[in-house]
Amino acid sequence: QVQLQESGPGLVKPSQTLSLTCTVSGGSINSGGYYWSWIRQHPGKGLEWIGSIYYSGRTYYNPSLKSRVTISVDTSTEQFSLNLTSVTAADTAVYYCARRGPGARGGIDYWGQGTLVTVSS
Amino acid sequence: QSALTQPRSVSGSPGQSVTISCTGTSSDVGYYNFVSWYQQHPGKAPKLLIYDVNKRPSGVPDRFSGSKSGNTASLTISGLQAEDEADYYCCSYAGNYTLIFGGGTKQTVL
Repeated sequence: QVQLQESGPGLVKPSQTLSLTCTVSGGSINSGGYYWSWIRQHPGKGLEWIGSIYYSGRTYYNPSLKSRVTISVDTSTEQFSLNLTSVTAADTAVYYCARRGPGARGGIDYWGQGTLVTVSS
Repeated sequence: QSALTQPRSVSGSPGQSVTISCTGTSSDVGYYNFVSWYQQHPGKAPKLLIYDVNKRPSGVPDRFSGSKSGNTASLTISGLQAEDEADYYCCSYAGNYTLIFGGGTKQTVL
């Protein structure tokens, strides 16, 4: 059973960088075929795909966030990370890490529990 | 990319069937057969119900079914049960490894 767990600060100041890490257990990022993803949900709103990364390090981003997003992977620690720069109150959301696949077009079958990040001074 | 369009809410009585629509464009829902549906209970992470338009992961009851016609995908819940009261989201592959979600539908069991 694959499990994902988000970690990182729950409070970030405006204009700073939001940084989250997702730790994968019960499965290997290196096994291939899956795209490790970040998805967010603004309070009381719908889901928004932020981006995905393959174990090789190749990344794919939501065009609306691309200029501010970096996703990276560390296969040795079974972790992948999200950096979102120049945050504003509009980036306050629950951030989920998740597994997508098999293949880039597959469903998102495993999700972390989500972590609320608030942007406020 | 604009969000896929879903009704804000639907409702049905126990035992009835409800259908939730998800309308996109000829560049996403209409072009690819890679629509998925998710169920989300309050305070919980979403759960995959349907992928590739009409396939169910292991463990998902066959009361949940998916279909697609043109630019619109649909999720049908048959034999409504109390535990089906939740928010439902559709998602489509939109090319270039990108995904687009719907705005979500609140499903109420009367």
